[in-house]
Amino acid sequence: AQKITQTQPGMFVQEKEAVTLDCTYDTSDPSYGLFWYKQPSSGEMIFLIYQGSYDQQNATEGRYSLNFQKARKSANLVISASQLGDSAMYFCAMREGSGGSQGNLIFGKGTKLSVKP
Amino acid sequence: EAGVVQSPRYKIIEKKQPVAFWCNPISGHNTLYWYRQNLGQGPELLIRYENEEAVDDSQLPKDRFSAERLKGVDSTLKIQPAELGDSAVYLCASRILAENTGELFFGEGSRLTVL
Repeated sequence: AQKITQTQPGMFVQEKEAVTLDCTYDTSDPSYGLFWYKQPSSGEMIFLIYQGSYDQQNATEGRYSLNFQKARKSANLVISASQLGDSAMYFCAMREGSGGSQGNLIFGKGTKLSVKP
Repeated sequence: EAGVVQSPRYKIIEKKQPVAFWCNPISGHNTLYWYRQNLGQGPELLIRYENEEAVDDSQLPKDRFSAERLKGVDSTLKIQPAELGDSAVYLCASRILAENTGELFFGEGSRLTVL
């Protein structure tokens, strides 16, 4: 069973507007972490934001925020004020467990974001 | 501080030839990962090391793939013999195991083309 689902293969957004990239996950472990990574055409994976399953508040990092809805098992990434440099692939990922029992980072298939000038 | 370093960046070989990729993680990072990323897909784990021990190699095709992390620092991933389906980007990543929220830091990847 797929653990991370990203249903949007591609998204377009106008420069300076906000965009939401969807991610749903599946786990029975009460302790897990959710990550978003950006992969520009150069290929390097760049960490954007992290949300722990026990975190009470949604994570924010600059223009990035994570809309964490635990009951729905969704962890959508919101990018505010899009910039041309935001054009890239975006991957949602999950790691189950905590501390020494942490598992591996499992990635979704990604969403390609294109920012239009 | 230097990031995760991988080499070579690009490699083109003919099928049945061997190939090796090298990774030097961030200093002090005791956990090292090798991922394979096929075109248009997310990375898939091949092997995870904690220090010099391979703690998860369940996804590594052991008939042709091998990896080592001698002395718990840099690591080598080898494919012998390569097949057409091995064409992909091979990503190395590292992190500090003790950090619960620690993200993985990735190298730029090694792009393999098998002809």
